[in-house]
Amino acid sequence: DGGITQSPKYLFRKEGQNVTLSCEQNLNHDAMYWYRQDPGQGLRLIYYSQIVNDFQKGDIAEGYSVSREKKESFPLTVTSAQKNPTAFYLCASSIIPGQEFLISSGNTIYFGEGSWLTVV
Amino acid sequence: AQTVTQSQPEMSVQEAETVTLSCTYDTSESDYYLFWYKQPPSRQMILVIRQEAYKQQNATENRFSVNFQKAAKSFSLKISDSQLGDAAMYFCAYRSAFRVQGAQKLVFGQGTRLTINP
Repeated sequence: DGGITQSPKYLFRKEGQNVTLSCEQNLNHDAMYWYRQDPGQGLRLIYYSQIVNDFQKGDIAEGYSVSREKKESFPLTVTSAQKNPTAFYLCASSIIPGQEFLISSGNTIYFGEGSWLTVV
Repeated sequence: AQTVTQSQPEMSVQEAETVTLSCTYDTSESDYYLFWYKQPPSRQMILVIRQEAYKQQNATENRFSVNFQKAAKSFSLKISDSQLGDAAMYFCAYRSAFRVQGAQKLVFGQGTRLTINP
């Protein structure tokens, strides 16, 4: 089945440690996103990418890094510079604007199941 | 920048009754998309319904329908015949239709927690 796979589901980080969250999609989407969700809050955009080898900062990019070496993959690294990383992280993907006519759901962003990150 | 506001942090409804969740947004753009996402306790984000701004007809998906008022920048979600499985956080979201850098990102409201009383 087509979809977005995030791993691991739960991750614990020690102080000063970098950790990487994986996101893989087989929907043939060009655009991919990382969102952060804090308890009782909405989603805030960390980074997004419209094409391989290119990505842009979102609203809360400080302390995070990403790469987009393959169309299917968009890993997120939470660095030691992120002082409050405990949160729920959601990866998402979509086709890029201008291609919505290709499929009926073209304007929709699809989400993975998320990853919980806790600092210990 | 676009903003989305959900003024009801929590709502509750009796099973089988109808409930309406409110959402307003602010934008200077003329073409965009609006969405309602459902987030159950599993935290999975599930698309409930979407509306294209250029369409005057309100979107409907089974028991879910919207009241889209473009001039008022309002986008409410009506859930008819509420079921226990509808209990979740509901997020209203905005997405630009323009092909410019960053336009395709979703802007979310703060969410409304919906409780269904049996």
